[in-house]
Amino acid sequence: KAGVTQTPRYLIKTRGQQVTLSCSPISGHRSVSWYQQTPGQGLQFLFEYFSETQRNKGNFPGRFSGRQFSNSRSEMNVSTLELGDSALYLCASSLWGTSGGARNEQFFGPGTRLTVL
Amino acid sequence: ELKVEQNPLFLSMQEGKNYTIYCNYSTTSDRLYWYRQDPGKSLESLFVLLSNGAVKQEGRLMASLDTKARLSTLHITAAVHDLSATYFCAVDILSNFGNEKLTFGTGTRLTIIP
Repeated sequence: KAGVTQTPRYLIKTRGQQVTLSCSPISGHRSVSWYQQTPGQGLQFLFEYFSETQRNKGNFPGRFSGRQFSNSRSEMNVSTLELGDSALYLCASSLWGTSGGARNEQFFGPGTRLTVL
Repeated sequence: ELKVEQNPLFLSMQEGKNYTIYCNYSTTSDRLYWYRQDPGKSLESLFVLLSNGAVKQEGRLMASLDTKARLSTLHITAAVHDLSATYFCAVDILSNFGNEKLTFGTGTRLTIIP
C-alpha cells in the first residue's frame, strides 16, 4: 500500500511569490492534515480537510489556505511569501470516523521543504 | 488551549544505558502518539496510546500513558546508536467529527554515544 506522497519535495521561492504544495493521501484515507515545522516554532497544525471541507484550522494568517478534492488529494497555498515561511511542510492522512481509536492515526508524508529567499 | 511539554529537550546517552523521555499535557486527551524523526526526514509513527494505563513496547522502546496524571513516558532500554533521532509526543482530542488537530511537544533530540 503506497504511503502519503507530497510534491514537490524541495522548493525555493523569493519573498512576495506564492506557492502551491500538493499531498496525495493513502488510498482510502479521507482526512488530510497539514503541519508546518520550523526550528523555532516546532510542529504546528495548519488545517485539516475531510470530504472537501475544512474541519479545523490552526493559528496561521489568511495567506495560508488549502483545499481538498473529491479524490481526497489536497493542496495548500501560501501567498505573498515571507522569509519566516521557510519550513518543512508535512501532510498527514488518516481514515475517518467518530469512533476514534487507532483508526484515526495520522500517517505523515515525506514533506516539502520550502526555502524563501 | 492544549499545551504539550516534553523533557528533556536534548539527551546524550551512552550505548547500553537506559533513559526515559517525559511528555506532559495540559487537558484531557483521547489519544497520545509518539513519533520519531530522523534529520531531514518525515515523522515515523512509533506508538498510539489510547487509554489510561496503556503500555506498548517495540524493541528497545516502551511507551506508557497515565491519563490521570496527564503524563506519557517513552523508555529506552540498553540504547544503541540506531536510536539516535528526535522523538516527539503528540496529543489530540476527539471531536464529533473524528479527527482533531495534533498538538506536538517540543521534541527530544536523542544522541547515542558509542
